[in-house]
Amino acid sequence: SQTIHQWPATLVQPVGSPLSLECTVEGTSNPNLYWYRQAAGRGLQLLFYSVGIGQISSEVPQNLSASRPQDRQFILSSKKLLLSDSGFYLCAWYPGGQGGYTFGSGTRLTVV
Amino acid sequence: AQSVTQLDSQVPVFEEAPVELRCNYSSSVSVYLFWYVQYPNQGLQLLLKYLSGSTLVKGINGFEAEFNKSQTSFHLRKPSVHISDTAEYFCAVRRSGNTGKLIFGQGTTLQVKP
Repeated sequence: SQTIHQWPATLVQPVGSPLSLECTVEGTSNPNLYWYRQAAGRGLQLLFYSVGIGQISSEVPQNLSASRPQDRQFILSSKKLLLSDSGFYLCAWYPGGQGGYTFGSGTRLTVV
Repeated sequence: AQSVTQLDSQVPVFEEAPVELRCNYSSSVSVYLFWYVQYPNQGLQLLLKYLSGSTLVKGINGFEAEFNKSQTSFHLRKPSVHISDTAEYFCAVRRSGNTGKLIFGQGTTLQVKP
């Protein structure tokens, strides 16, 4: 069966520190992968998506970047975190066709 | 461009009462529609989806939604809610295509009171 793993579950980082969040998918190949952010009291904002290895599309200009070094691995990074980067980060994958997204369990990032 | 509007940010309701969470979308092309539920500090779980065919879609946990093309709406309903239904609910739209980008509404917090 297909599963999606996201870690860590929670993270507290100081302003100016780097960030690396990892997402991996099992049981499928060549999935579309997505990073969403959910700020407190707000909806979900699409940050990045990837349709294949090394292919990254950014939806909004920001302090973050994404990479896809392997088919089933999607990484969200920052060189220097800002307070405004705090939020709940969700990874998702899409199998194609008429399916829905499957979401990871999320990472709660607090920048202090 | 597509957009999704969830008309109510919070919906308080008593246990065993019916509930409707409203969702309207805008798109110039045919779309797929989804409802997701999010419990505190968790990811999103798919409740139901409309792809084509019957406009009344049944999902998990007793929820259903009706697609109304003329009104561009996809409202979520449940005839009798439970305390355990307290959560955040998101409506989302996706147009067919390779990228499969999902556009979400702002969410509706359903608060079920005893």
